[in-house]
Amino acid sequence: DAGITQSPRHKVTETGTPVTLRCHQTENHRYMYWYRQDPGHGLRLIHYSYGVKDTDKGEVSDGYSVSRSKTEDFLLTLESATSSQTSVYFCAISDRTGTLGNEQFFGPGTRLTVL
Amino acid sequence: AQSVTQLDSHVSVSEGTPVLLRCNYSSSYSPSLFWYVQHPNKGLQLLLKYTSAATLVKGINGFEAEFKKSETSFHLTKPSAHMSDAAEYFCVVSDPAGTYKYIFGTGTRLKVLA
Repeated sequence: DAGITQSPRHKVTETGTPVTLRCHQTENHRYMYWYRQDPGHGLRLIHYSYGVKDTDKGEVSDGYSVSRSKTEDFLLTLESATSSQTSVYFCAISDRTGTLGNEQFFGPGTRLTVL
Repeated sequence: AQSVTQLDSHVSVSEGTPVLLRCNYSSSYSPSLFWYVQHPNKGLQLLLKYTSAATLVKGINGFEAEFKKSETSFHLTKPSAHMSDAAEYFCVVSDPAGTYKYIFGTGTRLKVLA
C-alpha cells in the first residue's frame, strides 16, 4: 500500500470552529489532492498541489484553504466549519510525469461531522 | 473539457452471474482511464487502468475493461460475480498532458445477491 496517512480519522466539531485535516505521504510524490465524498456526487476535488507551495483550486473550493510547506504534508483547513462541510475527506497522491497511466493513491479518509 | 458518466447508479446481480458496469467519457485528449473500487467505510483501491498499450485491460480480482474509442466507453466487466465484489465502483478520466486533474464519475453501487 502507498504510504499515505490522514489525521484525524474522525472528527466532530461545531459550526463556526476552524478545522485542519492533515495528509502525510512517504512516497515523495509531487502531486497531492483533497477530495470530499458525498452520496450521489462521487469524489469532488477541493484543492490540489503540484509542488511545495504550489496549489490550485478544484471544483468545490469555497470555504476551504490548503497549504503545502513540505513535499510530504498537505493540509486542508476549514476556516469556519459549516454543516454543509460534513463529509468524508480523502487525500490522494500521484506522480504524474505527463505519461499515460499514472494513477492516484488514496488515503483512508477522514470522517468529519459539523454540528 | 473532460467528463465521465457512469450510466447506472445501482446494479444488482446474482452471485456467479456476469457483471457489467458502464462508463462513458469525454476528453479532448488521449485520456488515461481508471476504475477504482471502494468497499464500505474504506478508501479507494485501483482495479485497473488504461494506458493505451492494449484496449482490453485486465485488473485485479478478475475484472476487465475494454477501451472503445469510437464509443467513448470504458465498461467494466467480470465473468462471475462473487459476494465480496459488493462495493461502489468509480470510473475516472484524466488528461496526462494537461491540468493534473482526475475527473470522477458519480459511482455505481454493485449489489451481489446470494
